[in-house]
Amino acid sequence: VQLVQSGAEVKEPGASMRISCKTSGYTFNTYDITWVRQVPGQGPECMGWISTYNGNTKYMENFQGRITMTTDTSTTTGYLDLRSLKFDDTAIYYCARFSILTGYFPDFWGQGTLVTVSS
Amino acid sequence: EVVLTQSPATLSLSPGERATLSCRASQIISVSLAWYQQKPGQAPRLLIYDVSNRATGIPARFSGSGSGTDFILTISSLEAEDFAVYYCQQRFSWPYTFGQGTKVEIK
Repeated sequence: VQLVQSGAEVKEPGASMRISCKTSGYTFNTYDITWVRQVPGQGPECMGWISTYNGNTKYMENFQGRITMTTDTSTTTGYLDLRSLKFDDTAIYYCARFSILTGYFPDFWGQGTLVTVSS
Repeated sequence: EVVLTQSPATLSLSPGERATLSCRASQIISVSLAWYQQKPGQAPRLLIYDVSNRATGIPARFSGSGSGTDFILTISSLEAEDFAVYYCQQRFSWPYTFGQGTKVEIK
């Protein structure tokens, strides 16, 4: 099982970002994908999740309107789009898979993508 | 939002000692709680889910217990690779929140 994320990004305030999460080693649509971010030195924060089966999504309220999670089943890849970036969006972003097999807690994670928002 | 409070913030122990980490929820969260280990520069690693179930490949020295609002992660005998930060997470109600972590450091 592998989840491999795209590389680090530096963005200006107000810009948009897209992070990809290429999965392999398992049947893609049997696990959903969650996105978690972490400011270094702080606890992780769950941003939301997406069903790889039907595309249903759930987002944390404070991201509403500027977040979109999608998947491409043909390439077994998940995507996180975040718009109107702010300085406090600077963090490491992780994708992870989850299923009922582990109580819907994510058992395999990507390596993380550092996003720096700076002018 | 369910707030998870972990204690202590830092635990200083020697290899071979027993570690007891606490996670207290601001409301009853049934058994929907997990524990993760995180080392510098790495993603969190799932240790325990649904309070007491070890994830695949996790050594038996890690165990979880608790119910309601109070949960414990126990490492029965610390090995060198166990010195890390540990987080709890709840999935009882959205948003799924994490605690702020307990750092287990070498004494």
